Amino acid sequence: EVQLVESGGGLVQPGGSLKLSCVASGLTFSGSDVHWVRQASGKGLEWVGRIRNTANNYATAYAASVEGRFTVSRDDSKNTAYLQMNNLKTEDTAVYYCTTNNGRGLDYWGQGTLVTVSS
Amino acid sequence: DIVMTQSPDSLAVSLGERATINCKSSQSVLYTSNNKNYLAWYQQKPGQPPKLLIYWASTRESGVPDRFSGSGSGTDFTLTISSLQAEDVAVYYCQHYYNVPLTFGGGTKVEIK
Repeated sequence: EVQLVESGGGLVQPGGSLKLSCVASGLTFSGSDVHWVRQASGKGLEWVGRIRNTANNYATAYAASVEGRFTVSRDDSKNTAYLQMNNLKTEDTAVYYCTTNNGRGLDYWGQGTLVTVSS
Repeated sequence: DIVMTQSPDSLAVSLGERATINCKSSQSVLYTSNNKNYLAWYQQKPGQPPKLLIYWASTRESGVPDRFSGSGSGTDFTLTISSLQAEDVAVYYCQHYYNVPLTFGGGTKVEIK
């Protein structure tokens, strides 16, 4: 069974930083592209960024709303992906999901971790 | 960026009846080199993460009931639930994965009439 487990969410003040982790099991993690998607309360889904697999040189891409503030990384030896979030804004408040792409859309999803940016 | 527009925003359907959700992309998501539409559909129930239902516009994910079907090509797509069941109450999203940034439709809330 494939599992993705996010952690690291919490309450942070505007301008602060937070690092989310996503630990994968039950799949060949090194072969997967990893994406982060967020969802504000009662709202729709917003793609945040992604890191490709080793065959694609770990290429990264970001939504314009987070470019320059967020960084996606991964450690395939630990089956773990990360989302480093700096200079957080109130509008970054959301549930953050880790999800994978193995060639057929976003196929596996974690349960999400809540990030609240508030003073 | 490719804009995904879903309609309707919500619909109420009687049990056993057909539900149809439309999705339009602002540019084609058909990759001509492999003739595949980079379009997926997701189901999200309250308090749960999204679940992949359909990819390549019309291929059902393993384990998804065959009452769910996807169709369309280029810029116009449809998700059909042929016979609505109580457990299908959810919000449904279309999403393209043609390029980055990936973008989602605004969602369609399906309820029982």
